[in-house]
Amino acid sequence: KNEVEQSPQNLTAQEGEFITINCSYSVGISALHWLQQHPGGGIVSLFMLSSGKKKHGRLIATINIQEKHSSLHITASHPRDSAVYICAVYAGNYQLIWGAGTKLIIKP
Amino acid sequence: EAQVTQNPRYLITVTGKKLTVTCSQNMNHEYMSWYRQDPGLGLRQIYYSMNVEVTDKGDVPEGYKVSRKEKRNFPLILESPSPNQTSLYFCASSYLGTANSPLHFGNGTRLTVT
Repeated sequence: KNEVEQSPQNLTAQEGEFITINCSYSVGISALHWLQQHPGGGIVSLFMLSSGKKKHGRLIATINIQEKHSSLHITASHPRDSAVYICAVYAGNYQLIWGAGTKLIIKP
Repeated sequence: EAQVTQNPRYLITVTGKKLTVTCSQNMNHEYMSWYRQDPGLGLRQIYYSMNVEVTDKGDVPEGYKVSRKEKRNFPLILESPSPNQTSLYFCASSYLGTANSPLHFGNGTRLTVT
């Protein structure tokens, strides 16, 4: 069993829909990262969080440390949000444990 | 502009021919790391470096070498590439490599070994 599991693996939605991507992990962590990988391959850090909730524009990330679960939400989704979203957890020792990613396609 | 620069973007080579993928960052970051990305497997760490002359193995170090002679540069060396090293490679850096430091990624190098 992977230490970091993302769901769904693939998600296709219509423009404007509210999107939720989930990340569950089985190890103790001090922080969780959400990243976005564009279709061209580039990877951008979206959020780092260790508790509660963070918001940036239409993106919201939440984490529940007790339940070992995080969600990334996108409100009013747009085709330009189409990307792979990756969750990674920091469990110490300067290493991140990576999820396999969720491929999101937003259709116009 | 703050950035991580990887070169080349694309590389096709033959088995056994030594190659180097360069990585440079201009943010004075202490921590640098190399990852490979393969379909269905996500990112896997190859090597990382906490500072000049300090490197350590990640999850998949076999067949790779790194060096950190200067803070800004962290080249990835494949002494004798094999087809199973065909992959998409990313270099990343962060200020301290801890939980509170965001990672900055290079644009990736797509390597094909025939």
